[in-house]
Amino acid sequence: ETGVTQTPRHLVMGMTNKKSLKCEQHLGHNAMYWYKQSAKKPLELMFVYSLEERVENNSVPSRFSPECPNSSHLFLHLHTLQPEDSALYLCASSQSQTSRTEAFFGQGTRLTVV
Amino acid sequence: RKEVEQDPGPFNVPEGATVAFNCTYSNSASQSFFWYRQDCRKEPKLLMSVYSSGNEDGRFTAQLNRASQYISLLIRDSKLSDSATYLCVVNGVSGTYKYIFGTGTRLKVLA
Repeated sequence: ETGVTQTPRHLVMGMTNKKSLKCEQHLGHNAMYWYKQSAKKPLELMFVYSLEERVENNSVPSRFSPECPNSSHLFLHLHTLQPEDSALYLCASSQSQTSRTEAFFGQGTRLTVV
Repeated sequence: RKEVEQDPGPFNVPEGATVAFNCTYSNSASQSFFWYRQDCRKEPKLLMSVYSSGNEDGRFTAQLNRASQYISLLIRDSKLSDSATYLCVVNGVSGTYKYIFGTGTRLKVLA
């Protein structure tokens, strides 16, 4: 069983659709992250949750809405997306009490907006 | 200035070569440093953490120079399987738990 699991792995959605990305971690971590990876760009941090509280929101458009119901689950709700939102969306988790531990990533959801 | 800067490459090297990647970071308050490896269309995976005293793991050596805000990764005796993108990652900036990634350096090891 992988430490961080993301579903779905691939998603194609129209600009008027509403969909959700799901992330689950089995590592006992208390911080979870959403990153966006577009071609030829570095990973962009979108949101950070620590102890189920959002601690970082990196000027992400409101068409992306995160939800963290508990320390093991993280969602990214999507609505009225644009074609430029097509990217790989990566979820990660870490132990937030110390910055010295690494982040563990899920396999990502490859999103295509048509 | 970008928070974390890397030469994007690509670095094309023959098998058995030694190759070095560099990374600079802008915030002197950064607390921890990592090298991740990302294969094509896969998620990033930790290669090694970088400690002030430098650290080695087999063919891989990482160094940190806090005064120059500079991190390096040395790969000795390159293998075909080392072909990937190597991501420099900085954390602990301004007391938050944000992992900031560089754009990555692409390495291709040629037979």
